[in-house]
Amino acid sequence: SQTIHQWPATLVQPVGSPLSLECTVEGTSNPNLYWYRQAAGRGLQLLFYSVGIGQISSEVPQNLSASRPQDRQFILSSKKLLLSDSGFYLCACNYWDRGQADTQYFGPGTRLTVL
Amino acid sequence: DQQVKQNSPSLSVQEGRISILNCDYTNSMFDYFLWYKKYPAEGPTFLISISSIKDKNEDGRFTVFLNKSAKHLSLHIVPSQPGDSAVYFCAGGAGSYQLTFGKGTKLSVIP
Repeated sequence: SQTIHQWPATLVQPVGSPLSLECTVEGTSNPNLYWYRQAAGRGLQLLFYSVGIGQISSEVPQNLSASRPQDRQFILSSKKLLLSDSGFYLCACNYWDRGQADTQYFGPGTRLTVL
Repeated sequence: DQQVKQNSPSLSVQEGRISILNCDYTNSMFDYFLWYKKYPAEGPTFLISISSIKDKNEDGRFTVFLNKSAKHLSLHIVPSQPGDSAVYFCAGGAGSYQLTFGKGTKLSVIP
């Protein structure tokens, strides 16, 4: 079974500062990887997903970007944070099993507060 | 356009009774559905799923019912326990990749 690591666990950053959140996955190869955000009072919003190294699909236009430099590493970045970027960021993965990928498994999350 | 709706933001249930969490969807292309449980400051935990070709799936105290004609699914927890107090998310999936989540329902189980 897979294990998803995220760091840092919590982060407080000033407006206009850069951001880098990291996600790594153990226990599976060639996973699909996802970044979600849960903002206060809202559900889980898909931000990016990746089906392979260097392949990123963006779901929501914003000042965030994602990269996948290695098979089991997914990075969420920003050059300049906005107040509205505050939220709980979750990394998730699923993988091909019997030719079907469905259940996504989530990491522990990063709580980002932009001041 | 909200493709997955959880219209009850919160629900309170007495310990030992049944908890019923509801979810409605609009996307006919969803071919599977999942329920996740989330505690504060933690990632969601997968609970149970159901394929669109089924109308019921059971796993211990958790049962998910799917009514395709009504585009409605529900999660039943019997009996409810205080440890079940959490936010529950319903999600629909089409194909291999994307899940669409509802906004969640906060369940409080009262001892």
